[in-house]
Amino acid sequence: DADVTQTPRNRITKTGKRIMLECSQTKGHDRMYWYRQDPGLGLRLIYYSFDVKDINKGEISDGYSVSRQAQAKFSLSLESAIPNQTALYFCATSEYNGRYNEQFFGPGTRLTVL
Amino acid sequence: ILNVEQSPQSLHVQEGDSTNFTCSFPSSNFYALHWYRWETAKSPEALFVMTLNGDEKKKGQISATLNTKEGYSYLYIKGSQPEDSATYLCASYRDDKIIFGKGTRLHILP
Repeated sequence: DADVTQTPRNRITKTGKRIMLECSQTKGHDRMYWYRQDPGLGLRLIYYSFDVKDINKGEISDGYSVSRQAQAKFSLSLESAIPNQTALYFCATSEYNGRYNEQFFGPGTRLTVL
Repeated sequence: ILNVEQSPQSLHVQEGDSTNFTCSFPSSNFYALHWYRWETAKSPEALFVMTLNGDEKKKGQISATLNTKEGYSYLYIKGSQPEDSATYLCASYRDDKIIFGKGTRLHILP
């Protein structure tokens, strides 16, 4: 079984719709992240959470919100989707060991906004 | 350097040849440097994490070195194979933040 899962894996939606992407993990990690990947731009951090009561904005948080419902769940919402939010979205987890912070990625969600 | 820069962006290498590419990162407040391997249609997977100046790591025919004083890391692939085709990402961990480079896309030619 996958340690980090994302649902849905693919989604096509229309401009203005609200959409939620969900991430679950069984790794027991405290830290969870949402990234988006666009061709030529690499991975960019949207939001991250170090525990259930902690939410932090990343590099490109505008137009997105998140909810950390439990240690194992971290959801990303697009309140009113727009076409330039079409991208591949990755959830990741990590467990900081005092020195480094290796990321474990989910399989990705491909989102298309028409 | 404030960002993480990787070069080249893309690389075509003949099967059996060796190659290397570079990751440059901010050297101040350095904690760790991560390398990830990202195959098409899959998720990035960790290759190496390096924390100390002069660190060298090796996994099969892939190795990496780290210079924290000047802020760079090299990834080497010896005797490239078709299965080495992937995007190689590096990420700098500093001030409790992770910053990814844009990756080097490696194509192995048969």
